[in-house]
Amino acid sequence: AQTVTQSQPEMSVQEAETVTLSCTYDTSESDYYLFWYKQPPSRQMILVIRQEAYKQQNATENRFSVNFQKAAKSFSLKISDSQLGDAAMYFCAHLPGNTPLVFGKGTRLSVIA
Amino acid sequence: NAGVTQTPKFQVLKTGQSMTLQCAQDMNHEYMSWYRQDPGMGLRLIHYSVGAGITDQGEVPNGYNVSRSTTEDFPLRLLSAAPSQTSVYFCASSPLPSGDQETQYFGPGTRLLVL
Repeated sequence: AQTVTQSQPEMSVQEAETVTLSCTYDTSESDYYLFWYKQPPSRQMILVIRQEAYKQQNATENRFSVNFQKAAKSFSLKISDSQLGDAAMYFCAHLPGNTPLVFGKGTRLSVIA
Repeated sequence: NAGVTQTPKFQVLKTGQSMTLQCAQDMNHEYMSWYRQDPGMGLRLIHYSVGAGITDQGEVPNGYNVSRSTTEDFPLRLLSAAPSQTSVYFCASSPLPSGDQETQYFGPGTRLLVL
């Protein structure tokens, strides 16, 4: 079975600082996608960033970047210059081919002013 | 486009009652799915569909039924609600083939409380 593990149930960061959320996954596929979703208190699921497994270059979206280590099956999210609006639940998710998304249990991020 | 819509936003049921959670999308997506979200558990897949007339079970299908008679709609039925089904339910859709499935569009969620 495909699994996604987020080992940090809660994290906190000072405003303007950098924080890294960790994620590991298990798969037997060679081609797949990985995602980070943000869920603010409104409960809306917002796509933050995605990574194609066949691409060696780490994905970047403004202040959000990933460290994708395919051999280690690791996919961490780095948030730079943290803002109060970044406070939310963050979910790592894995899409192994044609099967549905598999989510981790989430990391609650607090941003301290 | 309205995207993915879910109704109702919030519902209270008594144990044993039945109800249908509605999900609709206007993007002509083939792939639709239902997740439930519980504290500390992330999102877990209940059922999914890769097209009209085709459904399959996810990780936690017990107590739920689905059908897909049209591309647009994917209702989730609770035949006899139990307190363990208290949760937030999300519907999602995406296009196929898998090369385009990398982006799923989520509905706003339905909060269900079973007493």
